[in-house]
Amino acid sequence: NAGVTQTPKFQVLKTGQSMTLQCAQDMNHNSMYWYRQDPGMGLRLIYYSASEGTTDKGEVPNGYNVSRLNKREFSLRLESAAPSQTSVYFCASGRTYSNQPQHFGDGTRLSIL
Amino acid sequence: QQPVQSPQAVILREGEDAVINCSSSKALYSVHWYRQKHGEAPVFLMILLKGGEQKGHEKISASFNEKKQQSSLYLTASQLSYSGTYFCGTDGGATNKLIFGTGTLLAVQP
Repeated sequence: NAGVTQTPKFQVLKTGQSMTLQCAQDMNHNSMYWYRQDPGMGLRLIYYSASEGTTDKGEVPNGYNVSRLNKREFSLRLESAAPSQTSVYFCASGRTYSNQPQHFGDGTRLSIL
Repeated sequence: QQPVQSPQAVILREGEDAVINCSSSKALYSVHWYRQKHGEAPVFLMILLKGGEQKGHEKISASFNEKKQQSSLYLTASQLSYSGTYFCGTDGGATNKLIFGTGTLLAVQP
């Protein structure tokens, strides 16, 4: 019963490098989300996808791109990493109704030097 | 637009009660509550919907005042396992696109 799986769990990058964070869910959910979590800031939505083939910006989309590859997978790409993007990144999935919970992956801890 | 949570932190002894508040400046359709332990993913606790419907764990109670755009989470007879950071997430449009508050750190001591 995997739920939401994120890879990698940890990553260190140098400024300017690119990287893709992977997320997959096996709960047949329509909606998927990417959040970043910084100390004292809570969870902030980067991008979300309400269904396969659609994506939309969240609160803090600058510097990121996403791809909803299929219903199961939603990836987050940093094209040119910056130290300000050092954070813990969480992927979540859920049904596209406000009366349904979101299920979170274990997170990716990303450091950019 | 980010909802405001209060208090920012609270320390309890086992068996004591606590209330965590979440307040939004926008009209709300639903409020979600999650708990996160250090180094782990957030875990769903409860959803409160406009109109009074609730969904969540039996041992946790919460309220949602639609007119005041506020929600409160009630933790009674606290246990050590209740320790963690509690987040509210608000949805203004029934889309399940949540805006989370900055969290309330709860520490329960023996």
